[in-house]
Amino acid sequence: AQSVTQLGSHVSVSEGALVLLRCNYSSSVPPYLFWYVQYPNQGLQLLLKYTSAATLVKGINGFEAEFKKSETSFHLTKPSAHMSDAAEYFCAVSRGGSNYKLTFGKGTLLTVNP
Amino acid sequence: DARVTQTPRHKVTEMGQEVTMRCQPILGHNTVFWYRQTMMQGLELLAYFRNRAPLDDSGMPKDRFSAEMPDATLATLKIQPSEPRDSAVYFCASGLVLGGTTEAFFGQGTRLTVV
Repeated sequence: AQSVTQLGSHVSVSEGALVLLRCNYSSSVPPYLFWYVQYPNQGLQLLLKYTSAATLVKGINGFEAEFKKSETSFHLTKPSAHMSDAAEYFCAVSRGGSNYKLTFGKGTLLTVNP
Repeated sequence: DARVTQTPRHKVTEMGQEVTMRCQPILGHNTVFWYRQTMMQGLELLAYFRNRAPLDDSGMPKDRFSAEMPDATLATLKIQPSEPRDSAVYFCASGLVLGGTTEAFFGQGTRLTVV
């Protein structure tokens, strides 16, 4: 079975501060990992994905995430928060292969204060 | 600009009525997912299809929900009869999976309210 746990349902940062959103995964096989962002009344949009190539993955809007097998983590970071980053962020895991199935975490709501 | 299209965007219906949600996946994608999003449960996978064949629908209440892909350009999710607890946002997503994995592209969702 595969699952992800997002630590913190709500994270609040000041504009210009570091953004750190935490995600830990559980998978019996090497996973594929994803971060998605959801703006109000919108669908989910892919930020970045890890597919067993480089462990440091760069995504859109200045976000990046590092795959750490020893810690079973895939935390999302951004050096300097913008007001436009306020949204809900979802970590997701897949085993890949023929029975591709994407399992999402509960989400973390990011608030950016001026 | 390729995108997943869902209709309707909003639906209000009375308890007991049939509801049909439609999804047009991105042309060329071979995998379609249906997710339900609620405040309490988050994103739940209801069902997914590969090359129009259902691979897993274990997340769906079988007695009232059904999902089909009549053709490669249309996926449907039907609830009959609908209940207030079905109120949620239903997302369709599609992707191209060729042995490995790939990201899922999401539609805008259908916001269902059952009164």
